[in-house]
Amino acid sequence: QSALTQPPSASGSPGQSVTISCTGTSSDVGGYNYVSWYQQHPGKAPKLMIYEVSKRPSGVPDRFSGSKSGNTASLTVSGLQAEDEADYYCSSYAGSNNFDVVFGGGTKLTVL
Amino acid sequence: EVQLVESGGGLVKPGGSLRLSCAASGFTFSSYSMNWVRQAPGKGLEWVSSISSSSSYIYYADSVKGRFTISRDNAKNSLYLQMNSLRAEDTAVYYCARAYSSSWFPFDPWGQGTLVTVSS
Repeated sequence: QSALTQPPSASGSPGQSVTISCTGTSSDVGGYNYVSWYQQHPGKAPKLMIYEVSKRPSGVPDRFSGSKSGNTASLTVSGLQAEDEADYYCSSYAGSNNFDVVFGGGTKLTVL
Repeated sequence: EVQLVESGGGLVKPGGSLRLSCAASGFTFSSYSMNWVRQAPGKGLEWVSSISSSSSYIYYADSVKGRFTISRDNAKNSLYLQMNSLRAEDTAVYYCARAYSSSWFPFDPWGQGTLVTVSS
């Protein structure tokens, strides 16, 4: 069982927006602004899409945005495109007692 | 271009050992902390271990503590993971990942991964 809880699936039509949630605890998501999101296409390595809750690395489209409220972080993909179809994983630092990094179970995003 | 290339995966019997390597290029390897993250077949990502740029700080997930050893050779731009007492539940694709910036995380970029299969 993953430390962070994500819905197993999400979907939307091209051009629509979809939001994926990531629920943790005050010891991880709620306790630190070190929440990141990764995109993974089948058979490929994960790619960083959002870090420190809402920052976008260079080259990531501004259609991707992140936010956090309490123990829940969210990834929003606006203006869905076919290439956005992938698995998305959230991650958070969880080192209240010792260094630890936790991931969510992943959400399969389907573009209808 | 930043590149991470893992190697050393394969089939090993329970209780056996394996050493993974990650060859880095395209950046100043000695300036970044490095990490291993694994993904069991059809499952999600799991952090395994992290090492600071100078090897002064090393951390492990509880699931591998005492069995796995992370190390690096900055002169060879290489990261390693020595895996001992392997179990079936260690079967996964193992990714090498760099810290995105001068901090510990997030992790980016990632290598293409190397598959470790533990089975009799």
